[in-house]
Amino acid sequence: SYVLTQPASVSVAPGKTARITCGGNNLGAKGVHWYQQRPGQAPVVVISFDSDRPSGIPERFSGSNSGNTATLTISRVEAGDEADYYCQVWDTSSDHVVFGGGTKLTVL
Amino acid sequence: QVQLQESGPGLVKPSETLSLTCTVSGGSVSSGSYYWSWVRQPPGKGLEWIGYIFHSESPSYGPSLRSRVSMSVDTSKNQFSLKLSSVTPLDTGVYYCARGGAVGPVDYWGQGTLVTVSS
Repeated sequence: SYVLTQPASVSVAPGKTARITCGGNNLGAKGVHWYQQRPGQAPVVVISFDSDRPSGIPERFSGSNSGNTATLTISRVEAGDEADYYCQVWDTSSDHVVFGGGTKLTVL
Repeated sequence: QVQLQESGPGLVKPSETLSLTCTVSGGSVSSGSYYWSWVRQPPGKGLEWIGYIFHSESPSYGPSLRSRVSMSVDTSKNQFSLKLSSVTPLDTGVYYCARGGAVGPVDYWGQGTLVTVSS
């Protein structure tokens, strides 16, 4: 089955740029979605189809996807961005939904 | 505005069947435009996709739970349901119902319901 790999944690100082990666075989051929999950809350999609930003998501959130790696970039990081972030794809070869293991973003 | 609400027992005994229902408002489960999914999250761990059901097609289930899972839709009540058989304490976690996941992202989530497997 298809596997998505994320770093367990990323730390960044306020005002700096955070980059969270998601790795998978030929991932650039798939549409990657990114979710933010704060403690005790349901996830919220922050980036869809590699780089589309849903309504209401700050422009500070952006995404890219090429080769075997997708990246979620958060510019001018704020304390409120501290959360768990998950990447997700639909593997059309198996008709399965796949989540990455999640990355805990810590704002120093 | 689409809303989803999970309902079902919060405590299930080992070896029994976990049954949850998701009631959808503001949208129709019989729509041929959306997939309806179940996702779970063990305490302190990541998201795990359980499966989805789409219109009148056969459901798709995740590989790790496929042998114990079944999903169905009740269009008269605008609900979809999850059954997970032979549960163990490892099945403890928050269970979310959601819209999407296949083709597009999950754009609506239920609030989640904690299910504990314990005797």
